[in-house]
Amino acid sequence: GESVGLHLPTLSVQEGDNSIINCAYSNSASDYFIWYKQESGKGPQFIIDIRSNMDKRQGQRVTVLLNKTVKHLSLQIAATQPGDSAVYFCAENMGYSGAGSYQLTFGKGTKLSVIP
Amino acid sequence: DGGITQSPKYLFRKEGQNVTLSCEQNLNHDAMYWYRQDPGQGLRLIYYSQIVNDFQKGDIAEGYSVSREKKESFPLTVTSAQKNPTAFYLCASTLSGVDGIQPQHFGDGTRLSIL
Repeated sequence: GESVGLHLPTLSVQEGDNSIINCAYSNSASDYFIWYKQESGKGPQFIIDIRSNMDKRQGQRVTVLLNKTVKHLSLQIAATQPGDSAVYFCAENMGYSGAGSYQLTFGKGTKLSVIP
Repeated sequence: DGGITQSPKYLFRKEGQNVTLSCEQNLNHDAMYWYRQDPGQGLRLIYYSQIVNDFQKGDIAEGYSVSREKKESFPLTVTSAQKNPTAFYLCASTLSGVDGIQPQHFGDGTRLSIL
C-alpha cells in the first residue's frame, strides 16, 4: 500500500515466492496506470502498464490487476529474485487528451526486500 | 544505444546561485518531462514539454525554468528563488501519437544539494 511521510511500507519476501504489491489510486476518472521499479540512486524503470478498459495484463514474470470498483491496482511478481529488490511505484493518468504529453500522479512507493 | 542521459550525476548549489541540469534523449521522443523526488516520496511534476518551443507548468513549477530549443534536449534551471532545491531530479520522455498513450521512460537522475 501507500505510505505517509518518509517511511515506505516494506514487503519482505523469500526468494522464489510470489510478491504482491498493492496501490490505491485516487481518481475514479483515471484511465491509464503504470508500474515502475526504482533501484537506489537510479531512475524509475518501466515495468508494465494497463489501460482502464482492461482488468488484467501480463508481462514477463509480472501481472498487473486493476479493480476500478474499489480503485485498486496490484503488481504480482512471480518467483521473486534478489534482483527484484527495489522500490515499486504505481502512477495514474486522468483523461489522456491524445495530444502526446500527459501528467502522471505517483504514489509514494513500496519497498520490496527479497530474502535469499 | 538509445536512452535518456542526465548530467551531471551530482550537483552542488551555493546560496543565490542558479544551476542548470541537462537532459538529452536520442529516442526521437516528442514529449519530455522533469520531476522532483524527495526522500521516501513519489515523483512530482515540475515542467513538461510536448513539442519544441512549447512547455507547460506542472504541479511544482515555482523556482524552476525550462527551455525546449531542440527536440532532443530539455534543460532545467533551478533558480535562486527555489528555497528548498535539495532533491533528486528526474527527466523522462515519451513517444506520442502512436497507438494512444505511451509509457514515460526515465533517465538516471541528478542529485542536487546545497553547499
